Amino acid sequence: QKEVEQNSGPLSVPEGAIASLNCTYSDRGSQSFFWYRQYSGKSPELIMFIYSNGDKEDGRFTAQLNKASQYVSLLIRDSQPSDSATYLCATRTTSGTYKYIFGTGTRLKVLA
Amino acid sequence: DTAVSQTPKYLVTQMGNDKSIKCEQNLGHDTMYWYKQDSKKFLKIMFSYNNKELIINETVPNRFSPKSPDKAHLNLHINSLELGDSAVYFCASNPGGTPNYGYTFGSGTRLTVV
Repeated sequence: QKEVEQNSGPLSVPEGAIASLNCTYSDRGSQSFFWYRQYSGKSPELIMFIYSNGDKEDGRFTAQLNKASQYVSLLIRDSQPSDSATYLCATRTTSGTYKYIFGTGTRLKVLA
Repeated sequence: DTAVSQTPKYLVTQMGNDKSIKCEQNLGHDTMYWYKQDSKKFLKIMFSYNNKELIINETVPNRFSPKSPDKAHLNLHINSLELGDSAVYFCASNPGGTPNYGYTFGSGTRLTVV
């Protein structure tokens, strides 16, 4: 089982809709969770992090964390074509020297 | 002024050659990383240095050797390149010791081995 799992997509949503991206993780002790956006041919860019159960909002982005169910999600409201990218979920390991484990990413396509 | 810069951006080379990738960060971060991203976008950690000390060394062929001359620089040398080494290599940094701080990535080096 992969440590961080995401549906590879593509997830297609119409412009203006809410895009919902999901991520599950296997390390129950994980404390910190990150969402990165990666445009094609570019480097990943941090857009959100969350470490407490519940919701965290930043502009059009909302991260949701449920540690009991071991999932974290990212909602993008009022999706724009410029949001089309791959979204990578990452968690920080809890054992040994900490490092960040990434999922394989979900490709989002926002249709104009 | 680029926060994490990598050179070169593209590298095309023949099998068996030796090549190096350089990374520099001007953020004052203590920890630097090398990640490999394959064609399916999976980012896998290779190495990490904290203030010039190697702290993470994943299961990577010993043809790959990192070097950190100071905490602002982390280089990656690859010997005897193989076709399977073709990927995008990202350097990243973060302050270290701060659990809720993500990475700042460099722009990546696309390595193609022919």
